[in-house]
Amino acid sequence: AQSVAQPEDQVNVAEGNPLTVKCTYSVSGNPYLFWYVQYPNRGLQFLLKYITGDNLVKGSYGFEAEFNKSQTSFHLKKPSALVSDSALYFCAVRKIGSQGNLIFGKGTKLSVKP
Amino acid sequence: DAGVIQSPRHEVTEMGQEVTLRCKPISGHDYLFWYRQTMMRGLELLIYFNNNVPIDDSGMPEDRFSAKMPNASFSTLKIQPSEPRDSAVYFCASTPGGTSGGDMETQYFGPGTRLLVL
Repeated sequence: AQSVAQPEDQVNVAEGNPLTVKCTYSVSGNPYLFWYVQYPNRGLQFLLKYITGDNLVKGSYGFEAEFNKSQTSFHLKKPSALVSDSALYFCAVRKIGSQGNLIFGKGTKLSVKP
Repeated sequence: DAGVIQSPRHEVTEMGQEVTLRCKPISGHDYLFWYRQTMMRGLELLIYFNNNVPIDDSGMPEDRFSAKMPNASFSTLKIQPSEPRDSAVYFCASTPGGTSGGDMETQYFGPGTRLLVL
């Protein structure tokens, strides 16, 4: 069965430090992987995606993610965190055979302290 | 483009009442998705449409929930009768799909409707 896991409910980082939000997936074949961000009282916003090609994907707001096939991971990273990055982050994988249909993880709350 | 539009943004109702949530997808998008978000269950896909046709409604909780898409620019999610456990934030999202060109894989979310059933 296809699934995506975000092992951390919350990640705490000091402003200016690098951040990592973890995601692992389980899917047969080549995965389509996504990261979305949700700010308080808002809908989800697309950050970045991996479809094919370079394993390091760059996205909005300085975020990047690295696709690692051997570890079945797609961790979200940023070299220097901002307080404004504090939000809920969702990893997602496209459901095989179902265009546009995504399976979302439970989300990780990122808290960046000044 | 105005993005995905949802109305109302907030709804407070009493148990047993009918609730109708509305969504206008981004013009030209072929796919429309309805999600429900709660603290306990996270983000759940309820149903999605392709070219106004329901494709997968396996996430709809029970017969009290129904969704329609009468045309490419409008969809409704109805709960009748509503119950307190239906309290959640309901999101609508759309994606271009293959026939519209552009990015077929990225979902664009509306701001959500926050529903409280008393």
